[in-house]
Amino acid sequence: NAGVTQTPKFQVLKTGQSMTLQCAQDMNHEYMSWYRQDPGMGLRLIHYSVGAGITDQGEVPNGYNVSRSTTEDFPLRLLSAAPSQTSVYFCASSKQNIQYFGAGTRLSVL
Amino acid sequence: SQQGEEDPQALSIQEGENATMNCSYKTSINNLQWYRQNSGRGLVHLILIRSNEREKHSGRLRVTLDTSKKSSSLLITASRAADTASYFCAFDAGGTSYGKLTFGQGTILTVHP
Repeated sequence: NAGVTQTPKFQVLKTGQSMTLQCAQDMNHEYMSWYRQDPGMGLRLIHYSVGAGITDQGEVPNGYNVSRSTTEDFPLRLLSAAPSQTSVYFCASSKQNIQYFGAGTRLSVL
Repeated sequence: SQQGEEDPQALSIQEGENATMNCSYKTSINNLQWYRQNSGRGLVHLILIRSNEREKHSGRLRVTLDTSKKSSSLLITASRAADTASYFCAFDAGGTSYGKLTFGQGTILTVHP
């Protein structure tokens, strides 16, 4: 039982590059979300989805896009990477309010 | 920001001692949860307490919730070196925020053998 799988684990980008962080869950959860974690800031919600075809913005959505074509997958796209997007990104799926987190993607933007 | 406030930011204790972490929030909530994060890992759910509950236990964990003071505490009894981690509170504000969790900044707990 894999739970929530995030790829890649590490990524280095140059300013202006684009990339997609992958997230997949095998628990058939309807609710999925993306967070970023910065030192001293806890986790901040970027985007979330309550089911396939439905997404909405969280607290810090600027510079990120999401889509949810299937229940299992919820990719996060960085359109034009900026140094301010250097962070650790976590994907989570949720059932009955309890969130199950992936292991994270550590992203550095130079 | 609707983030919760946690204190202390860091806590260092000896094995066998109890550890208490506190969380305060500003909105009405449906429930409050505590999560644990080991270094370099994702968060793991520990316990959930609903707004109509005052206290909940799970093994060596005890959580209290005071909705009148908008605060919660997590007590870890008889701590072990393996409890060393960051601990986060997270709350569900309900209403249009249903299902969305707002996290505190976390408490870094170090338990010395």
